Amino acid sequence: KQEVTQIPAALSVPEGENLVLNCSFTDSAIYNLQWFRQDPGKGLTSLLLIQSSQREQTSGRLNASLDKSSGRSTLYIAASQPGDSATYLCAVRKRWNDMRFGAGTRLTVKP
Amino acid sequence: EAGVVQSPRYKIIEKKQPVAFWCNPISGHNTLYWYRQNLGQGPELLIRYENEEAVDDSQLPKDRFSAERLKGVDSTLKIQPAELGDSAVYLCASSYGTGPDTQYFGPGTRLTVL
Repeated sequence: KQEVTQIPAALSVPEGENLVLNCSFTDSAIYNLQWFRQDPGKGLTSLLLIQSSQREQTSGRLNASLDKSSGRSTLYIAASQPGDSATYLCAVRKRWNDMRFGAGTRLTVKP
Repeated sequence: EAGVVQSPRYKIIEKKQPVAFWCNPISGHNTLYWYRQNLGQGPELLIRYENEEAVDDSQLPKDRFSAERLKGVDSTLKIQPAELGDSAVYLCASSYGTGPDTQYFGPGTRLTVL
């Protein structure tokens, strides 16, 4: 069974800092990996999706990398802002529609 | 374009009572998902529909949970009777195709069982 782990569980940084969130998974035979953002009381919003054949994806200040062989992905956030405060979840898709989520990293960016 | 709509947003019930959640997916989306998210955890899939057909309900506790998607649009998830351990956020998501398309999530229903 695919296990997805996110470290750290919580992170607090001052505004403007660059930061890295980590995601690891036990089964490297994945279809794709996706990073989501979840705000309190709201659903999940997709940030970046990396196909298994790709190494990284970028969107604005966000960059996600994927190393399938080691079972790891990182989400890099540049020049963090208070509006980035949220919980970030990674999800690994093994089969066509079998998506497994990590428990998330709760990020707080202090002004 | 309207997103995924869920109601109610919050529900508090006593154990052994029944409860139902409703989801209206994005117009034109063929696939609908129900997830359960426990506090401090990621969402876990309960059931997936492709149009009207439940194609993956392996994680749905069938002794007390039931779901339906009439006419391949709206969906209802029911729990009867509810137990203390059912307290969680129930998320509905939809996607356009039946493959690994991007899923769009609703705001969820937070259920508290006393």
